[in-house]
Amino acid sequence: KAGVTQTPRYLIKTRGQQVTLSCSPISGHRSVSWYQQTPGQGLQFLFEYFSETQRNKGNFPGRFSGRQFSNSRSEMNVSTLELGDSALYLCASSSHRDRGLLRNSPLHFGNGTRLTVT
Amino acid sequence: EDQVTQSPEALRLQEGESSSLNCSYTVSGLRGLFWYRQDPGKGPEFLFTLYSAGEEKEKERLKATLTKKESFLHITAPKPEDSATYLCAVQAEETSGSRLTFGEGTQLTVNP
Repeated sequence: KAGVTQTPRYLIKTRGQQVTLSCSPISGHRSVSWYQQTPGQGLQFLFEYFSETQRNKGNFPGRFSGRQFSNSRSEMNVSTLELGDSALYLCASSSHRDRGLLRNSPLHFGNGTRLTVT
Repeated sequence: EDQVTQSPEALRLQEGESSSLNCSYTVSGLRGLFWYRQDPGKGPEFLFTLYSAGEEKEKERLKATLTKKESFLHITAPKPEDSATYLCAVQAEETSGSRLTFGEGTQLTVNP
């Protein structure tokens, strides 16, 4: 079974631009979540999608948004990029369906997109 | 607010030298505690899930244990290929879905 695939692996953008990152979950997984990883803050939860609906959101500004398609693939978008948005953006998928349950269905992460904002 | 603190930040071991990594957590009701391993340039790789105090899980040279306030990842006779950053994360009772709170990790280096 193929793992979680994220594209592109690397991106360099300029302040003020916007960027779209893509994630293909493991086949059969309908839950997709996004995390931001930085040296100072570690991994921080951005949002989660299940069946094309956002069902959980972290404490990030509205410049960060996402969506999920009917085939469970997901994209996240960051508008008006700031230098502080430079990070590794990780996508994770899970087969869990219940809102609160990760039992027997842990998160499986992709290798991330490394975004550098100059 | 849920909090996860991992110690030490970095650990250097000689091959075969056993040790333990610590994960202390503060959460209003624990739904699950997760251990991940992350290699440079890669995403975290799932290792274990623990649900209740007293629970233990093992995989090769790794053993994870859980108490009401902390979890330990014991590494027995480590090898150089065990070098990685080990991440601990918790899911609280009141949170739903895939929202985990992560610690900043312990960077483990095993020298041959």
